[in-house]
Amino acid sequence: ETGVTQTPRHLVMGMTNKKSLKCEQHLGHNAMYWYKQSAKKPLELMFVYSLEERVENNSVPSRFSPECPNSSHLFLHLHTLQPEDSALYLCASSQVRQGYNEQFFGPGTRLTVL
Amino acid sequence: AQSVTQLDSHVSVSEGTPVLLRCNYSSSYSPSLFWYVQHPNKGLQLLLKYTSAATLVKGINGFEAEFKKSETSFHLTKPSAHMSDAAEYFCVVSDPYSGAGSYQLTFGKGTKLSVIP
Repeated sequence: ETGVTQTPRHLVMGMTNKKSLKCEQHLGHNAMYWYKQSAKKPLELMFVYSLEERVENNSVPSRFSPECPNSSHLFLHLHTLQPEDSALYLCASSQVRQGYNEQFFGPGTRLTVL
Repeated sequence: AQSVTQLDSHVSVSEGTPVLLRCNYSSSYSPSLFWYVQHPNKGLQLLLKYTSAATLVKGINGFEAEFKKSETSFHLTKPSAHMSDAAEYFCVVSDPYSGAGSYQLTFGKGTKLSVIP
């Protein structure tokens, strides 16, 4: 596997379910990100992890819970979601250095909440 | 604070004609600028990047962009559109001195490019 991979690619869940999204990067990067992409809205940064520590949490509801067990893996745990949470969830990684942050994106997980 | 404005939400061109997707940015410092492309149901792929070297940047698939500091613009162009270019394009700015930190990228709202046969 190369680049950034995400599983599953598609997920349908009810509002009472618990599920997890998985992201893996094979690039040796030091930072990983979760984004939400909804129709007709700009890309929203949800969480940032640098060297496995969370450095950014952009007012995301607690029903989204990230986990970064090591520098290559990132999870997004989902619990009691709402229909408005239906979106494409994108994972990205980068090797951050002063003044430069080129991010590499995975293919995304298309989430539908019923 | 940094910001990005993509001036057109939708651009339609005929196959074989030039493409111009417009982007203006606001940044407190000399930023890094990117163009990403997203095909339907896919992730974002980097097309090209500007990092304070040459102001004319060449990317993949024949795309290029010119950084114009005086106009705070970073427009994306291609001499001849191909059907496979139909996708959504995002202009992105990275400014570590904006107060948002080294990790924050600011995305434009995207321009959807349609290519007519």
